[in-house]
Amino acid sequence: DVKVTQSSRYLVKRTGEKVFLECVQDMDHENMFWYRQDPGLGLRLIYFSYDVKMKEKGDIPEGYSVSREKKERFSLILESASTNQTSMYLCASSFIRRHLIYGYTFGSGTRLTVV
Amino acid sequence: GDSVTQMEGPVTLSEEAFLTINCTYTATGYPSLFWYVQYPGEGLQLLLKATKADDKGSNKGFEATYRKETTSFHLEKGSVQVSDSAVYFCAQHSGTYKYIFGTGTRLKVLA
Repeated sequence: DVKVTQSSRYLVKRTGEKVFLECVQDMDHENMFWYRQDPGLGLRLIYFSYDVKMKEKGDIPEGYSVSREKKERFSLILESASTNQTSMYLCASSFIRRHLIYGYTFGSGTRLTVV
Repeated sequence: GDSVTQMEGPVTLSEEAFLTINCTYTATGYPSLFWYVQYPGEGLQLLLKATKADDKGSNKGFEATYRKETTSFHLEKGSVQVSDSAVYFCAQHSGTYKYIFGTGTRLKVLA
């Protein structure tokens, strides 16, 4: 089974801190994604990457950046954490072979609280 | 633009009841359709999928049929268990890199 591993399940940070959320997948997937999940808003895409060093903005990129230096690792960076970034953060990976779509594999999530 | 609409929750059922969670989509093309499940404190897991019209996805007793004429992909289960309590997300994928998710429907099954 593909595994997507997020480095922390729970994280508490102070306002203004620079925060790194790490995500690693072990099955050579090309595509990786960062979502945030909030009650009543569902999943919102922050950034995604379809190849090493490539990145695309999602629907809510403001206040975030990403890094993909290696195929298996996709990092989400909160440049200066704010309380409105308190959320559940979900990493996912996917691949497409011969035009067939296999669905996302998600990590277990990181619940970030900014105080 | 493309979207996915799910019925509002929470849905509360007794054990062994029949479950339906409605999902409709709008898309310019012919998307693949998915149901994901999120158990408390966990990430999302792929539950089932269908890639073309009239396909039926099934897994763990859950089923959903891709209905192009009604642009729907309703999730059903004949007899729910307490362990099915979770949040269920409908999603579509239509050729770009990203998926479009519904807002999720919380299911609570009472013993």
